[in-house]
Amino acid sequence: AQSVTQLGSHVSVSEGALVLLRCNYSSSVPPYLFWYVQYPNQGLQLLLKYTSAATLVKGINGFEAEFKKSETSFHLTKPSAHMSDAAEYFCAVSGYGNQFYFGTGTSLTVIP
Amino acid sequence: DGGITQSPKYLFRKEGQNVTLSCEQNLNHDAMYWYRQDPGQGLRLIYYSQIVNDFQKGDIAEGYSVSREKKESFPLTVTSAQKNPTAFYLCASSIGAAQNTEAFFGQGTRLTVV
Repeated sequence: AQSVTQLGSHVSVSEGALVLLRCNYSSSVPPYLFWYVQYPNQGLQLLLKYTSAATLVKGINGFEAEFKKSETSFHLTKPSAHMSDAAEYFCAVSGYGNQFYFGTGTSLTVIP
Repeated sequence: DGGITQSPKYLFRKEGQNVTLSCEQNLNHDAMYWYRQDPGQGLRLIYYSQIVNDFQKGDIAEGYSVSREKKESFPLTVTSAQKNPTAFYLCASSIGAAQNTEAFFGQGTRLTVV
């Protein structure tokens, strides 16, 4: 069975500060992991995905995530937050039949 | 442009009525999904389909029904048996059953029971 846990339902950072959103996974097989972003009343947009090719994955809008098997983690980071980064972020893991199991989300607030 | 189209964007339903949410994709994807989103609960899988004329229940299928008669269409019916249908509904698709392919999402339908 696969699942993900996102630590922290709300994160606030100052504009220009480091963004760190946490995601831990549980998987009985090598996982395929994803980060999505959602703006209010919109669908989800893929930020990046880990498919075992490289442990450090770079995505859109300056985001990246590092896969750490020993810690079962796939945390999302961005060196410098921008006001436009304010949104809801979801971590997901892919399971049998390409079902996607999502975390409960982290709402990011960027303080000017 | 290829993508997933959900309609309508906003939907109001009276208690006791069935309502159908539309989802169409022109990505030539085999797999399609319906998720329900409630505040603080993330996305929960209602139904998914890996191929035409076949679909499986997800974690919260009770009170919902789907059909997959065409590859590009996967409508969701919210029946009167769904006790708390007010939510944001998201449709998604992916290339197929391979686990390393991402899901693409529509813009969602917000259903409100009045």
